[in-house]
Amino acid sequence: ENVLTQSPGTLSLSPGERATLSCRASQSVNSNYLAWYQQKPGQTPRLLIYGASTRATGIPDRFSGSVSGTVFTLSISRLEPDDFAVYYCHQYGGSPLTFGGGTKVEIK
Amino acid sequence: QVQLVQSGAEVKKPGSSVKVSCKSSGDTLNIHAISWVRQAPGQGLEWMGGIIPLSGTVDYAPKFQGRVKIIADEFTRTVFMELGSLRSEDTAVYFCARGAAATLFNWFDLWGQGSLVTVSS
Repeated sequence: ENVLTQSPGTLSLSPGERATLSCRASQSVNSNYLAWYQQKPGQTPRLLIYGASTRATGIPDRFSGSVSGTVFTLSISRLEPDDFAVYYCHQYGGSPLTFGGGTKVEIK
Repeated sequence: QVQLVQSGAEVKKPGSSVKVSCKSSGDTLNIHAISWVRQAPGQGLEWMGGIIPLSGTVDYAPKFQGRVKIIADEFTRTVFMELGSLRSEDTAVYFCARGAAATLFNWFDLWGQGSLVTVSS
């Protein structure tokens, strides 16, 4: 099983600041098949990024994804009030599909 | 716009089974896989397994193997997830999620609204 470890667990930032979230895989992710989701309380996850760096339809360009080896990064260039939420990474390159434990981005 | 509509909340006794449904409002099962993902209260997301309705191919996470069954009814455009031998740790919101294509190795581009299953004596 490819274990995904997200860090930090919580990120305290102010609107307008840049957020950098990390997701480290325990083994290589086939074809960089990694996605990022945003989830707010009481809501379903919302797809942000797939294929490590491709933004989903309708996702603003302040969200970007990158990869270096087995470390995947989600960056939010300038946080807006609507961006404060929990973010999950998800690898779909092999079975079982797995999710990271999540990073909570909270208002400082 | 296609939606995935899930069945309602359930309360179950330990040791019993629960069957949750996920109905597509459009003809999505022919070209997409459907997975089941659960989320315990205050916890993260956990993939349980999935099905490619077009081929009948199923795959289950090792943790749930032998305890979960996922089937698809193409005529009613509904996917079912049955989880047996329930215990208190199975209390969670269960989501169906659509893969972006007819393969289990895909991101999820559409989610059902979630079904709360509570296991309590």
